[in-house]
Amino acid sequence: NAGVTQTPKFQVLKTGQSMTLQCAQDMNHNSMYWYRQDPGMGLRLIYYSASEGTTDKGEVPNGYNVSRLNKREFSLRLESAAPSQTSVYFCASSEVFTNQETQYFGPGTRLLVL
Amino acid sequence: QQQVKQSPQSLIVQKGGISIINCAYENTAFDYFPWYQQFPGKGPALLIAIRPDVSEKKEGRFTISFNKSAKQFSLHIMDSQPGDSATYFCAASESDYGQNFVFGPGTRLSVLP
Repeated sequence: NAGVTQTPKFQVLKTGQSMTLQCAQDMNHNSMYWYRQDPGMGLRLIYYSASEGTTDKGEVPNGYNVSRLNKREFSLRLESAAPSQTSVYFCASSEVFTNQETQYFGPGTRLLVL
Repeated sequence: QQQVKQSPQSLIVQKGGISIINCAYENTAFDYFPWYQQFPGKGPALLIAIRPDVSEKKEGRFTISFNKSAKQFSLHIMDSQPGDSATYFCAASESDYGQNFVFGPGTRLSVLP
């Protein structure tokens, strides 16, 4: 089992460019999440998908869109990147959406927007 | 957004010592409190978690102490080892909001050999 995988590992964008961060899990989990991690601010939830076919906004959704492509894959899109979106992005999954289920995190994507 | 405060920002402990990280919250509806461990270049991983119906939970060298009246909880790492050097995040959530966790800002722990 690879767990949660993310691509790319690192990306540099210019302001205004677009890109899609890919995430896949092989644990047959129903719920998937996208977080950003900034120094001194912990993890903040961008979007989540409690189950296949549903997506909802988290704490910081502005400037992002998501697609739950199927049960395994959950992508995060930046339509017009801004320097404020420079961050480390983590995808995570859990078996179900109840809060006592363990979230499993991917290794992260480091994004630099110039 | 409800906050979870965490202290200290960074902590240096000698090998064999006790590491203590504290968190505080305001939302009395929070009913699940996990701690995550993150090594450099890796994603966070669940370390230990507690519900407010118990005051303490121990797993190996890691213990969560929970004070419901003070709205505080803490992570104690006994016999700290250099391999424990990592960033630790506390978090909190309400059952009604599922996996919408609020995370603390993190504590960078360094255990000196």
